[in-house]
Amino acid sequence: AQSVAQPEDQVNVAEGNPLTVKCTYSVSGNPYLFWYVQYPNRGLQFLLKYITGDNLVKGSYGFEAEFNKSQTSFHLKKPSALVSDSALYFCAVRALGGATNKLIFGTGTLLAVQP
Amino acid sequence: DGGITQSPKYLFRKEGQNVTLSCEQNLNHDAMYWYRQDPGQGLRLIYYSQIVNDFQKGDIAEGYSVSREKKESFPLTVTSAQKNPTAFYLCASRDRGHSSSGGNTIYFGEGSWLTVV
Repeated sequence: AQSVAQPEDQVNVAEGNPLTVKCTYSVSGNPYLFWYVQYPNRGLQFLLKYITGDNLVKGSYGFEAEFNKSQTSFHLKKPSALVSDSALYFCAVRALGGATNKLIFGTGTLLAVQP
Repeated sequence: DGGITQSPKYLFRKEGQNVTLSCEQNLNHDAMYWYRQDPGQGLRLIYYSQIVNDFQKGDIAEGYSVSREKKESFPLTVTSAQKNPTAFYLCASRDRGHSSSGGNTIYFGEGSWLTVV
């Protein structure tokens, strides 16, 4: 069965420091991997995705993520955090070839960036 | 503007009452989804539709119903059978881009809060 794990409920980082939000996945077959961000009382905004190709994917707002097949991970990163990056981040996975194309979400990681 | 519109933003339901959440998209997407979001549980799939006049149950369909009579619209009805309906509901749709162009991204509306009073 497909699953996604976000091991940290919350990540705290000082403004200007690099940030990492962790995600690991479990699928049979090749995965599609996604990151979304949610601000309070809003819907989810798409940040970036990995389909195939380069393991380092660049997305919106200066975020990037690295696909690591051997470690089944897709960690979200940013070189220099901003206070405005504070939000809830979701990792999601969909297996290629599935009949339903369902997207499975992690439980979310709250990123808090201190000024 | 192109996008996904959910309404109302806030809805209050009395015990024993059915309520319907609206979802409209003008992105020409075939597939549409309804998710429920509860604190600490991430998003859970309620129903999805891959094409007009067809829909399938997701992981937590009990107490909910949907219809897909038009490509643009995918309303969700929360029935009285849903015993714990208070949650944030998110509608989404998916493009049909090819793998080589990085398609198949799911996009979300702004959500609707449903509270039982």
